[in-house]
Amino acid sequence: KNQVEQSPQSLIILEGKNCTLQCNYTVSPFSNLRWYKQDTGRGPVSLTIMTFSENTKSNGRYTATLDADTKQSSLHITASQLSDSASYICVVTPGENGNNRLAFGKGNQVVVIP
Amino acid sequence: DTGVSQDPRHKITKRGQNVTFRCDPISEHNRLYWYRQTLGQGPEFLTYFQNEAQLEKSRLLSDRFSAERPKGSFSTLEIQRTEQGDSAMYLCASSLEQGFQETQYFGPGTRLLVL
Repeated sequence: KNQVEQSPQSLIILEGKNCTLQCNYTVSPFSNLRWYKQDTGRGPVSLTIMTFSENTKSNGRYTATLDADTKQSSLHITASQLSDSASYICVVTPGENGNNRLAFGKGNQVVVIP
Repeated sequence: DTGVSQDPRHKITKRGQNVTFRCDPISEHNRLYWYRQTLGQGPEFLTYFQNEAQLEKSRLLSDRFSAERPKGSFSTLEIQRTEQGDSAMYLCASSLEQGFQETQYFGPGTRLLVL
């Protein structure tokens, strides 16, 4: 069973609308949780990083939240743009300070249509 | 552009041939990772270097796969006797060891198609 589950698997939204992507994880203990954006045919690019003591982090129109008690994170995209069409991957770093074996979700595939 | 480069970006080969991919990490990064990603999946860990030492290898890395980082800078990933199941995107990432805030920076990937 995957340690990081993301939902919805795919999502189509109208340009200008908001959306929220969900990530549930079972990794414990964990060092940090990241959201990456991966454009089609490209490598993932880090959007946000939160340690276990942080519960929100923003990067422009992207806002990530973290509830370490329920082991849930969300990524909220505000006023979506066509360039937001991508896969958004939730990544959890296991352990207290290790970075060797990241646990990746399968990604939320977002398509923004005009 | 994250600063991590990979070459080639695309590779088409026939089953049974050998292929080699190169990754150039961000220059000051001491850690380098190789991942494999198939369609609709997240990246899967293959192997990891700290400087020139290969510290960890996944069970996914069969004996047909070998990775090197001879001078602690660029790295190569070689696949011998390729199989159709090797078709995937091969991602390289690098990072600077720095505890909780350490972030891996990914390259654009090499997409391999084995016919």
